[in-house]
Amino acid sequence: GNSVTQMEGPVTLSEEAFLTINCTYTATGYPSLFWYVQYPGEGLQLLLKATKADDKGSNKGFEATYRKETTSFHLEKGSVQVSDSAVYFCALMSDTGRRALTFGSGTRLQVQP
Amino acid sequence: DADVTQTPRNRITKTGKRIMLECSQTKGHDRMYWYRQDPGLGLRLIYYSFDVKDINKGEISDGYSVSRQAQAKFSLSLESAIPNQTALYFCATSGGQGKQFFGPGTRLTVL
Repeated sequence: GNSVTQMEGPVTLSEEAFLTINCTYTATGYPSLFWYVQYPGEGLQLLLKATKADDKGSNKGFEATYRKETTSFHLEKGSVQVSDSAVYFCALMSDTGRRALTFGSGTRLQVQP
Repeated sequence: DADVTQTPRNRITKTGKRIMLECSQTKGHDRMYWYRQDPGLGLRLIYYSFDVKDINKGEISDGYSVSRQAQAKFSLSLESAIPNQTALYFCATSGGQGKQFFGPGTRLTVL
């Protein structure tokens, strides 16, 4: 079945540091890939997505590239801010079968001033 | 007003009680979902519905049931709550293409 694996958290960084959160997946076919973000006390929000190999999703300074050869979709940001502190979820949606998201376990990011 | 609302936001109940969590949306989406979130496990799909007459089980449907009363309403029921159903529950909607819109969540505690 489909699965998503994310790096363990929490990730603690100083403001303006470079961020990478690793995500790898297992899926049949050609899934779409997503990063969702959950700020404290809120529901999840879509951060970015990519629907085919080599696509790059980007939003709010965050980027992730769909790498089919390594089945990865790592999230990066060049300079994090305190306001980026949140839990980040990698997810996939298969192009066959159940049209629902499969989520990773989430990675908590803490950015210190 | 929020596009996806959930009631109640917090609930404490006792083992064996029946409880219903409600979700309403104003986005006009056909697809609605119920997830539970547990620490370290991410979100897991309980049930989903692609229209009023279409209900599907997710990964962890045992102990839960749902009702799609209208396009805008999708309720989750726990017929006889047990402590390991203590979790944060999220409703979500989608117009397709994978982008889902989440409600604020319901924190359920079963004693």
